[in-house]
Amino acid sequence: QLQLQESGPGLVKPSETLSLTCTVSGGSISSSSYYWGWIRQPPGKGLEWIGSIYYSGSTYYNPSLKSRVTISVDTSKNQFSLKLSSVTAADTAVYYCASHYGDDAFDIWGQGTMVTVSS
Amino acid sequence: EIVMTQSPATLSVSPGERATLSCRASQSVSSNLAWYQQKPGQAPRLLIYGASTRATGIPARFSGSGSGTEFTLTISSLQSEDFAVYYCQQYNNWPLYTFGQGTKLEIK
Repeated sequence: QLQLQESGPGLVKPSETLSLTCTVSGGSISSSSYYWGWIRQPPGKGLEWIGSIYYSGSTYYNPSLKSRVTISVDTSKNQFSLKLSSVTAADTAVYYCASHYGDDAFDIWGQGTMVTVSS
Repeated sequence: EIVMTQSPATLSVSPGERATLSCRASQSVSSNLAWYQQKPGQAPRLLIYGASTRATGIPARFSGSGSGTEFTLTISSLQSEDFAVYYCQQYNNWPLYTFGQGTKLEIK
């Protein structure tokens, strides 16, 4: 059974880069037609798609964050990662990683990790 | 960008009764619409995809309907574990996914 687990610092200083990793277990990140995405949720608010990546390295970003986002994949470690640069307090959120089959709904989610941007 | 609007923001329903949640898209998303359930402190869980297909393990009391711009999630005979926040999401406009703002289903 596919499982996803986020990891990374829970506190990031303003103007610095937020870095998170999602580890995939119970399946291969190189599975055909499976995409791997990041979604965030500010405290008490709704969900925002950040971007997705295919195992080949093809990336797809939300235009509202594109200038600050980099998503990468490491197939040897069965992991994919998120980097968000120049963070501000507005980037404080729970960050989820999730999978989707092709251009479909998010079927498997990680438990989420809270990231606070504060000095 | 396709804007997803959910209504109402909060819905108060008694256990055992039926709940009807709405989601409207700013332009047609065909049947490329999903519903998620989120309980406090938990990740969202996929309930419905393709507007009306239940995800694996989802009870039959959850049903989805609609196409184009108007969608409905119906929960018949509410159970205590169903009180949560529900989000709709369109995936017709890949690669730009958007979510609704959520409907909180609370106990009346």
